[in-house]
Amino acid sequence: DIQMTQSPSSLSASVGDRVTITCRASQSINSYLNWYQQKPGKAPKLLIYAASTLQVGVPSRFSGSGSGTDFTLTISSLQPEDFATYFCQQSYNTLEFTFGPGTKVDVK
Amino acid sequence: QLLLQESGPGLVKPSETLSLTCTVSGGSISSRGYYWGWIRQSPEKGLEWIGSIHYSGSTYYNPSLNSRVTISADTSKNEFSLRLSSVTAADAGVFYCVRHGSTSSTRFFDYWGQGTLGTVSS
Repeated sequence: DIQMTQSPSSLSASVGDRVTITCRASQSINSYLNWYQQKPGKAPKLLIYAASTLQVGVPSRFSGSGSGTDFTLTISSLQPEDFATYFCQQSYNTLEFTFGPGTKVDVK
Repeated sequence: QLLLQESGPGLVKPSETLSLTCTVSGGSISSRGYYWGWIRQSPEKGLEWIGSIHYSGSTYYNPSLNSRVTISADTSKNEFSLRLSSVTAADAGVFYCVRHGSTSSTRFFDYWGQGTLGTVSS
């Protein structure tokens, strides 16, 4: 099965900061990588699919890049509502989905 | 607006079967091109995909849970269900029902239920 890792596991940032989160797959997954945002007590919300395509309604300050095994989620200017935990998920393996362990973004 | 809502007993005894249902409104589970599934979240294992079903009846499950999982669908009620047998404390967590596409480019989870807590205790 395909293992997903994320770094860092947590980070502290301030409003207006540029934030970058990295996701790595244990084997090439082409661009079949999706990103989610989760706030406490809520279900995860799809932000980006196919590595770089923004889901409808997601602010343009979010962007994704990468292919193969290494991917990045960037928030260009962190807003108060962006403090949350972010997960990556691979959809390359047609028989199994796997998620990264998450990156928590909190207030510096 | 598509809405997914989980329901079912929140407490199950060890060795028994956890049963949950997801009721879908604002859309049909018989829509072509979509699968309907279940995801569990726990502090120990994080987000874990359990399995998915197509309205045609086609299913696939997480290999680590395959022998204990059954997902079924009732198109007349527009709902689908999860049965997880022989549960232990390790099976506890928040269970989400979800939708995802059936093609390589659409296999992301775009709709989620609010989640329901499943506890295993005698």
